[in-house]
Amino acid sequence: SQQGEEDPQALSIQEGENATMNCSYKTSINNLQWYRQNSGRGLVHLILIRSNEREKHSGRLRVTLDTSKKSSSLLITASRAADTASYFCATDEIYNQGGKLIFGQGTELSVKP
Amino acid sequence: EPEVTQTPSHQVTQMGQEVILRCVPISNHLYFYWYRQILGQKVEFLVSFYNNEISEKSEIFDDQFSVERPDGSNFTLKIRSTKLEDSAMYFCASSEARWDLEAFFGQGTRLTVV
Repeated sequence: SQQGEEDPQALSIQEGENATMNCSYKTSINNLQWYRQNSGRGLVHLILIRSNEREKHSGRLRVTLDTSKKSSSLLITASRAADTASYFCATDEIYNQGGKLIFGQGTELSVKP
Repeated sequence: EPEVTQTPSHQVTQMGQEVILRCVPISNHLYFYWYRQILGQKVEFLVSFYNNEISEKSEIFDDQFSVERPDGSNFTLKIRSTKLEDSAMYFCASSEARWDLEAFFGQGTRLTVV
């Protein structure tokens, strides 16, 4: 798989349920970021977790990072219909000089009211 | 809240024509980026720019592409001779610093080459 691969590719849940999305990557990283994209719109930054951090919270979002497994998860608790969007992880590789982010294919989340 | 703004939101151009996509990064940011997303595909890095020069570019960013910061506020991406496969959403992003700080993205310019 490529750097920053998410699974599942699509997730459909009911409002109020939790949604968990996973991201795997291959190389060592400085940080990993999660972004949200509503259909056809721009990317909204959700949360950044550094390589020396294991867990981070922001509102209803909880991100974990396991550098030994090269994986991260994004948990959205008590989901709402407005959370319907695509979610991408993006990695900042450790030897990257230019600051580029490598994005995964994304998870398409659908929250049914 | 400060934001990255991009213009136009949608541009249609004839194959072979030159296009310039414009971006105004967040004012105190020093690092600027262009990414693109072909419909249904992942977001791909094109180029990063710092201190008035390219820091890094991808294989996609060939001689047809160029970037410029013509003044203190704008950051542009030029495609000299567009091809059909250049049709995509182009995102500009900026960040305050290189290390461990998030990149903020604009709403994108949808480029359609016909």
